[in-house]
Amino acid sequence: QKEVEQNSGPLSVPEGAIASLNCTYSDRGSQSFFWYRQYSGKSPELIMSIYSNGDKEDGRFTAQLNKASQYVSLLIRDSQPSDSATYLCAVNIGYQKVTFGTGTKLQVIP
Amino acid sequence: DAGVTQSPTHLIKTRGQHVTLRCSPISGHKSVSWYQQVLGQGPQFIFQYYEKEERGRGNFPDRFSARQFPNYSSELNVNALLLGDSALYLCASSLDRGLLGYEQYFGPGTRLTVT
Repeated sequence: QKEVEQNSGPLSVPEGAIASLNCTYSDRGSQSFFWYRQYSGKSPELIMSIYSNGDKEDGRFTAQLNKASQYVSLLIRDSQPSDSATYLCAVNIGYQKVTFGTGTKLQVIP
Repeated sequence: DAGVTQSPTHLIKTRGQHVTLRCSPISGHKSVSWYQQVLGQGPQFIFQYYEKEERGRGNFPDRFSARQFPNYSSELNVNALLLGDSALYLCASSLDRGLLGYEQYFGPGTRLTVT
């Protein structure tokens, strides 16, 4: 079982719709969770961090964490073509390392 | 404020050679991590340094080494390059938030091609 799993996609949504990106992780000791956006040929850009169960909202982005189910998600409201990118889920245990999923490619269709 | 900087941007090396990649963190950040990203995969953790001490090491061979300097900048060294070392090498800096972990900010990366 991979430490952090994401559906590779592509996930296609029409402009203005809600995009839902999902991530599961294997280690129950995981403490910190992050979503990064990566455009083709560029480095990852931090979008959201979440540390406790529930929802965290920042503009059009909402991160959701359920530690009991070992599940973290990212919702993008009013999706725009500029949101088309690969979204990486990352999980941190203590100090030592952050483990990334393989990423989900999102395509927003105008 | 300047973000994370990395040099060089691109690099072409031959098998068996050695390479040094450099990173300067965001001002005030004392932690630097190195990642390797191959096409179609997420970044893979190589090293983390905090206050010049190695805090974590990923599953990479001993050909990979790193260090952090008193000004918190860092170098990643790779010896005896293999074709499989061709990848985007990413440096990330962060503040240390203790057990809450840390939000990492990535530099633009160094694209290494081994021929």
